[in-house]
Amino acid sequence: AQSVTQLGSHVSVSEGALVLLRCNYSSSVPPYLFWYVQYPNQGLQLLLKYTSAATLVKGINGFEAEFKKSETSFHLTKPSAHMSDAAEYFCAVSASFGANSKLTFGKGITLSVRP
Amino acid sequence: DAGVTQSPTHLIKTRGQQVTLRCSPKSGHDTVSWYQQALGQGPQFIFQYYEEEERQRGNFPDRFSGHQFPNYSSELNVNALLLGDSALYLCASSLAGSDRGKTQYFGPGTRLLVL
Repeated sequence: AQSVTQLGSHVSVSEGALVLLRCNYSSSVPPYLFWYVQYPNQGLQLLLKYTSAATLVKGINGFEAEFKKSETSFHLTKPSAHMSDAAEYFCAVSASFGANSKLTFGKGITLSVRP
Repeated sequence: DAGVTQSPTHLIKTRGQQVTLRCSPKSGHDTVSWYQQALGQGPQFIFQYYEEEERQRGNFPDRFSGHQFPNYSSELNVNALLLGDSALYLCASSLAGSDRGKTQYFGPGTRLLVL
């Protein structure tokens, strides 16, 4: 069984400040981990993914995340927030084996960026 | 390169009715997964289709059924609609096998309102 916990439902930062969105996972098998972003009234866009290669993963729009097995974490960071980063962010986990595997999502975090 | 497309974008139904949602996968993809996203929640896995068969299923009642066609497109059918079925329905596509099969790309969703 797999699950994701995203701490806090809402994060607010100032433009130019560090963005840190937390994600902890639980998985009975080696996981693959993903961050998706959802803008209002849109679908999900893949930001980045961890698939057992490098533990520090770089994604689009300046985001990156680090897989820490000892802490069962996959936190998302961005050094400097931009107004366009305001959106809903979802962390998701899947099993690392099998031809295909379902995604299990967290409840999401709403990121607000103050001017 | 066309991404995942879904139709219709919005739909209003009344309780007890039936609905069919449609999805065309990203070019080159052969697997389609469906998710339900209630307001303020993360997406929940409904089921996944590969080679025209349901391969995995989440915790959804039999009122939810699907189909995959030889061209890999897919339909989601919901019978006897309940008010609680109101949600954004997301389709995601992927390519079976190898690590790429673990990465799912999402369409814009169909927003269903049940009155």
